[in-house]
Amino acid sequence: QKEVEQDPGPLSVPEGAIVSLNCTYSNSAFQYFMWYRQYSRKGPELLMYTYSSGNKEDGRFTAQVDKSSKYISLFIRDSQPSDSATYLCAMSVIQGAQKLVFGQGTRLTINP
Amino acid sequence: EAGVAQSPRYKIIEKRQSVAFWCNPISGHATLYWYQQILGQGPKLLIQFQNNGVVDDSQLPKDRFSAERLKGVDSTLKIQPAKLEDSAVYLCASSLGPTGSYEQYFGPGTRLTVT
Repeated sequence: QKEVEQDPGPLSVPEGAIVSLNCTYSNSAFQYFMWYRQYSRKGPELLMYTYSSGNKEDGRFTAQVDKSSKYISLFIRDSQPSDSATYLCAMSVIQGAQKLVFGQGTRLTINP
Repeated sequence: EAGVAQSPRYKIIEKRQSVAFWCNPISGHATLYWYQQILGQGPKLLIQFQNNGVVDDSQLPKDRFSAERLKGVDSTLKIQPAKLEDSAVYLCASSLGPTGSYEQYFGPGTRLTVT
């Protein structure tokens, strides 16, 4: 069993829709949860960073963490064609070095 | 602020040949990471440096992969000899490390094709 599971999609939605992306994990030691966005032929870039359970909002993006269920989500409101990318969840344990464990990534397309 | 630089961007080699990738992290970033991203998968950490010391190389196939970080700045990742399954994008990332944020900034990657 992989430490982090993420549905690879692909996911295709119309412009303006609300998008929900999810990951589950098995290691209860994970404390930091991140969402990265990766455009084609580019490196990942950090979108959201959360610690502990609950919600965190940044503009059109909301990250949600449920440690009791070992489940994290990223919601995108009013989705735009420019949001079309692969979204990667990543997690780490509290330690001196931030070793990240990534999910497989979900490929998202927003259709105009 | 300049980002993480990597070269070359693309490389095609035959199996059993050797190849080297170069990474220049963001200035002042103490921690440097090399990841392997196989098509359709998330990045997998190969090796992590803190200044010029190795913090974690538990997932580095040491029989064929090697990496060094000269003077705690630039880094090279080498594969010798390459296998077909090494075809992937090799990503370099850097972060401030213990003195600041652990947020990782990624370079554009080197796309390796082994034929």
